[in-house]
Amino acid sequence: DIQMTQSPSSLSASVGDRVTITCRASQTISNYLNWYQQRPGKVPKLLIYSASTLQSGVPSRFSGSGSGTDFTLTISSLQPEDFGTYYCQQSYNTPSLTFGGGTRVDIK
Amino acid sequence: QVQLQESGPRLVKPSQTLSLTCSVSGGSISSDSYYWSWIRQPAGRGLEWIGRVAASGITNYNPSLTSRVTILVDTSKNEFSLILTSVTAADTAVYYCAREFFGEFADYWGQGTLVTVSS
Repeated sequence: DIQMTQSPSSLSASVGDRVTITCRASQTISNYLNWYQQRPGKVPKLLIYSASTLQSGVPSRFSGSGSGTDFTLTISSLQPEDFGTYYCQQSYNTPSLTFGGGTRVDIK
Repeated sequence: QVQLQESGPRLVKPSQTLSLTCSVSGGSISSDSYYWSWIRQPAGRGLEWIGRVAASGITNYNPSLTSRVTILVDTSKNEFSLILTSVTAADTAVYYCAREFFGEFADYWGQGTLVTVSS
C-alpha cells in the first residue's frame, strides 16, 4: 500500500503569510495527487487535482506542484477563510484512494 | 449543480449493521465519467476512503474493510448505499458520500452524517 505523509502536521501563520505544506508518497505516484481543504466543522473541498490543476472556483492564491513522490501545496497570501485542515490524496494505486494525515493551519 | 445527501440511522448497536443511503440530485448517477463513493472521518481524525460503486454495479473497497462492506447502486432512484456489518465503536464517524471523477478525486461531497456505534 502507498502511504502518504504530510508535513508539518500543524502550523500557525498570520494573515498574509506564504504557507507551504508538503506531502510525500512512499513510492512514486506520478502526478496522481490531489489536495483538499476542510474548514472546521465543514465538508472537505477539492482544491487541486493532478498535482497542479486548480479546481474551478478555487482562488489563484492556491497552487500545487510536484511529481513522483514529493508534492507541495502553497498558499501565496493566507486569508482568514483559509484556516482549517488540508489533506493530500493519491489515486495512483487504484482502486483504493489514500489520504494523508492532514495539516492543520491555525491563526498565529 | 450536483448535490448529494446522506440518510440513515444515526445510532447503531455494536455487532449490528450500519446502513446509509446517498441520494444524488442535479445529475445522473448513470454517467460514465463518475464513480460514487463513501468516505468516513472519526471525530478529530483524518479521512478514510471506504469504497466506491459504478453505475454498472462494479465495486472497489478499502482492503481493510472489504470483509464487512457492501456498496450498492440503484440507478432508477439515482441513489447508492453503504452497508457495513459487525460494527464496533471504532466505526463511529462522520460518513460522507461523494462523487469521484474517474475514480481519481472526489469533486462533490454530501454534508456528512454522524453515525455513532453504541449500546
